[in-house]
Amino acid sequence: DIQMTQSPSSLSASVGDRVTITCRASQSISSHLNWFQQTPGKAPKLLIYGASILQSGVPSRFSGSGSGTDFTLTISSLQPEDFATYYCQHSYSSPPSLTFGGGTKVEIK
Amino acid sequence: QVTLKESGPVLVKPTETLMLTCTISGFSLSSPRMGVSWIRQPPGKALEWLAHIFSDDEKSYSTSLKSRLTVSEDTSKRQVVLTMTNMDPVDTATYYCARVYPYVTMVQGVVPLYYYGLDVWGQGTTVTVSS
Repeated sequence: DIQMTQSPSSLSASVGDRVTITCRASQSISSHLNWFQQTPGKAPKLLIYGASILQSGVPSRFSGSGSGTDFTLTISSLQPEDFATYYCQHSYSSPPSLTFGGGTKVEIK
Repeated sequence: QVTLKESGPVLVKPTETLMLTCTISGFSLSSPRMGVSWIRQPPGKALEWLAHIFSDDEKSYSTSLKSRLTVSEDTSKRQVVLTMTNMDPVDTATYYCARVYPYVTMVQGVVPLYYYGLDVWGQGTTVTVSS
């Protein structure tokens, strides 16, 4: 099975900061990588699919990059509503398995 | 409007079998490459993908839970059902269903490349395992 490892597991940042979260796959998954945002008590929300393609309606301050085994989610200027937990997930193989990373909690500094 | 809604028992006893239903609307599992996934989240912990079923009745399961899981579809009722046997207190979690949507891009303008994303989620249903 492909394992997904996120880092850091948590971080503290201020409004306006640039934030970067990384995700590493245990083997190459090409660009089959999704990013989700989850706020407490709510279902996750899809932000990015295909490693870098912004889901409709997601603000442009979110961006994704990477391919193969190493991926990055960047928030260019952190907003109050962005304090949440972020998960990566691969969708490789056919039919795709959808293993999640362990999550990164973004907290207010 | 695409919606999914989970339903099932709030409390189950250890060793019992859990049956959860996901009722879908606004889309069809008959659409090519469309699917429904089940995901769970224990209190304060990370998301864990459990299983999914696709439009061609292709199914896939988490390796660690495969022996305990079954996913099926009731097309007439527009429902996807997840059963999990031999429940244990560690299975206490919020269980979600979500649509697996096939995003397509064209490689070199000719070859379709599909990316699968969980684009719409249900609200989740909390299941506690306790005697």
